[in-house]
Amino acid sequence: GQQVMQIPQYQHVQEGEDFTTYCNSSTTLSNIQWYKQRPGGHPVFLIQLVKSGEVKKQKRLTFQFGEAKKNSSLHITATQTTDVGTYFCAVTSGTYKYIFGTGTRLKVLA
Amino acid sequence: DTEVTQTPKHLVMGMTNKKSLKCEQHMGHRAMYWYKQKAKKPPELMFVYSYEKLSINESVPSRFSPECPNSSLLNLHLHALQPEDSALYLCASSPVAGPYNQPQHFGDGTRLSIL
Repeated sequence: GQQVMQIPQYQHVQEGEDFTTYCNSSTTLSNIQWYKQRPGGHPVFLIQLVKSGEVKKQKRLTFQFGEAKKNSSLHITATQTTDVGTYFCAVTSGTYKYIFGTGTRLKVLA
Repeated sequence: DTEVTQTPKHLVMGMTNKKSLKCEQHMGHRAMYWYKQKAKKPPELMFVYSYEKLSINESVPSRFSPECPNSSLLNLHLHALQPEDSALYLCASSPVAGPYNQPQHFGDGTRLSIL
């Protein structure tokens, strides 16, 4: 079946450092979504990318969809303690069927 | 505040008990989902309802029985669960899919423990 791997699995950064997580699919994607889950919380939708090579920014967060639509990245500039959580990419495998990536857990040291 | 409400927040039950998880949304979404999430793992899709009809069942054991009484409510009936079913159960909703699947809105989840 379709696999969606994220790297790294864990990342510890000092506050103010940058952070990047990568999402890789074994198949070509129609679109990709990113979610953030705070410790003890639920996934919260961040963004959706649909076009090859698309880049979207939300304040300190930059999202990119690969040219071949098989991978994506999320980059956070100058991390803050509020960025702590697990970041998941999610891909669709048919109508209403979502597959979440393995996730990257981010810890920010003050 | 979440726009998808799940009750109860915590549930402890024995393997012979019958219980139900409830989920409610008032965003007018016509697609609703149940996910299971184990600690330090991604959410795993269990069931999807679209327009109150079951459209996806990811080969979930029959001890889990979903129900969608109307467009705002989603239930998950539990019976004869196993200890390995202990997990966080998340409900989500989304607008109907167009060219692409739409973003999902998640509830806070029910943390289920099976004794």
